[in-house]
Amino acid sequence: QLQLQESGPGLVTPSETLSLTCTVSGGSIRTTSSYWGWIRQPPGKGLEWIASVYFSGSTYYNPSLKSRVTISMDTSKNQFSLKLSSVTAADTAVYYCARRTSSDPIWFDPWGQGTLVTVSS
Amino acid sequence: QSVLTQPPSVSGTPGQRITISCSGGNSNIGTNNAYWYQQLSGSAPKLLIYRNNQRPSGVPDRFSGSKSGTSASLAISGLRSEDEADYYCATWDDSVSGHVVFGGGTKLTVL
Repeated sequence: QLQLQESGPGLVTPSETLSLTCTVSGGSIRTTSSYWGWIRQPPGKGLEWIASVYFSGSTYYNPSLKSRVTISMDTSKNQFSLKLSSVTAADTAVYYCARRTSSDPIWFDPWGQGTLVTVSS
Repeated sequence: QSVLTQPPSVSGTPGQRITISCSGGNSNIGTNNAYWYQQLSGSAPKLLIYRNNQRPSGVPDRFSGSKSGTSASLAISGLRSEDEADYYCATWDDSVSGHVVFGGGTKLTVL
């Protein structure tokens, strides 16, 4: 059974870079049937797709965040990662990693449990 | 502010049928499939409806979806207390290089 788990600092200083890692177990991220992505949810607010990556190295970004976001994969560790630069309080959110099917761009399943990242000095 | 508009809240009593609307535009719902996610309190979202009206394995047939023009709807019949959750519509938006967009979410309260 495929499982995803987010990890990273829970507190980030404004203007710094937020870095998160998603560890995948129960299957390989090196597969043609999946994309791997990040989605966030500010406290009490809705969902926002951030980025996705394919095992070939192809990356896809939300245009509103593209200038500050980098998504990457480490197939040797079966992990993929997110970096968000120049963070502000508006980037405070629960960050989820999720698998996306290669045949359907909106089918995210499973999801990690989510990790709360607070941007504060 | 999301490009997909949902009512902030809806409510119903056990056994009732409710609907949640999702209004978009020509660049998103008007030309792409609609999806619905259910998020129970404190949990990650779960896919409820895909490609407008299809249910993943394990989702009860009390949940149904539809799409017409630039709007989509989620219907829940035989409402149960465990259906109390936040519901999000989602789709692909073809503007600005294309990307996934979510609605603002609708809080369903079962009275």
